[in-house]
Amino acid sequence: SQQGEEDPQALSIQEGENATMNCSYKTSINNLQWYRQNSGRGLVHLILIRSNEREKHSGRLRVTLDTSKKSSSLLITASRAADTASYFCAPGGGGNQFYFGTGTSLTVIP
Amino acid sequence: EAQVTQNPRYLITVTGKKLTVTCSQNMNHEYMSWYRQDPGLGLRQIYYSMNVEVTDKGDVPEGYKVSRKEKRNFPLILESPSPNQTSLYFCASSLSRNNEQFFGPGTRLTVL
Repeated sequence: SQQGEEDPQALSIQEGENATMNCSYKTSINNLQWYRQNSGRGLVHLILIRSNEREKHSGRLRVTLDTSKKSSSLLITASRAADTASYFCAPGGGGNQFYFGTGTSLTVIP
Repeated sequence: EAQVTQNPRYLITVTGKKLTVTCSQNMNHEYMSWYRQDPGLGLRQIYYSMNVEVTDKGDVPEGYKVSRKEKRNFPLILESPSPNQTSLYFCASSLSRNNEQFFGPGTRLTVL
């Protein structure tokens, strides 16, 4: 399947530090999306990176994509307590289904 | 305001009592999905719809039904709920499979 696997499963950092989480996948993709979920709430889309892009920025977020290694990373710079959430990647290939992994749980300590 | 709405937000029911969770979007999106989220298993797609009258099974369709008679609505039907369907359910919509998805607030279902 196109399911992504996020790593690490859990991450705890101090406010102001950078947080990096990774996503690995197994099949060819057209794009890869990252989402955030605050506890018990619906997911919120963060960024979409296409297969022909290597890096994309959005505010304090930086996403990289390495299709040769079938991996992506999400970097959150200068983290804030409000960034505490779970983060999910969703690789998008040629199929019509949508797959999420089990996510990375990020805790930012004030 | 662009949004996906789900109702009810919370539901406690008993085994075998048919129920429907409604989902509606006001963004004229073609692609709609239902997911369930369970601890340690992440989000799993139950059913999805590419457009009106077009629905397909996701990863965990057993025990669920859906319909897409209108573009904006995508109800999830549990004909005979069982305790293993106790979960947090999300509806989502997007322009297409490869666009960002907009999620509803979730429905927390408990089947006793």
